[in-house]
Amino acid sequence: GAVVSQHPSWVICKSGTSVKIECRSLDFQATTMFWYRQFPKQSLMLMATSNEGSKATYEQGVEKDKFLINHASLTLSTLTVTSAHPEDSSFYICSAFGVASYEQYFGPGTRLTVT
Amino acid sequence: DAKTTQPTSMDCAEGRAANLPCNHSTISGNEYVYWYRQIHSQGPQYIIHGLKNNETNEMASLIITEDRKSSTLILPHATLRDTAVYYCISGRDGGSQGNLIFGKGTKLSVKP
Repeated sequence: GAVVSQHPSWVICKSGTSVKIECRSLDFQATTMFWYRQFPKQSLMLMATSNEGSKATYEQGVEKDKFLINHASLTLSTLTVTSAHPEDSSFYICSAFGVASYEQYFGPGTRLTVT
Repeated sequence: DAKTTQPTSMDCAEGRAANLPCNHSTISGNEYVYWYRQIHSQGPQYIIHGLKNNETNEMASLIITEDRKSSTLILPHATLRDTAVYYCISGRDGGSQGNLIFGKGTKLSVKP
């Protein structure tokens, strides 16, 4: 099946700094990718929809100026957490659709810890 | 809020069938039922989906009631590696419109 990768798999940063997370579709092109956030013992929450060549669509309550999304190519979307705070510590997961539109492929996730 | 309800947790003996129920009483006619699972600290994995007919693949079977208000995911011979949180989701177009809403899922524990 299709593969979605994320980099880094985990990152620790200091409060106030910015962190960039990459999401790549390795063997298919993805015009749309999704970014989710998952806090411990909670379910996935959709943050935003990333569209290649256009602005991302953010879910209600997600600050677009804090979580910058860039979908520069059909295989790469990036999420930048700006001015990170400890409450941004979470598991960030991206996803994309493969050739068969019913199957959403998820990346392995990135564990962000802000100290 | 999620449009499906699932039991919080279930146990299953290794080698036995695991039957995971899901209620989706408000599902609309053009919405599919999708099942994903998430093993600890990993991204979710697609399992199976269906509209109204029962479906089977190499991983599992999906049984959907005639009124489509509920369904059951069946893992025919559960192994320890099937221990995970299983999410039942209803949505259109595979969620390509961003409408896959994850609920709390069922934590399945497969025991030796």
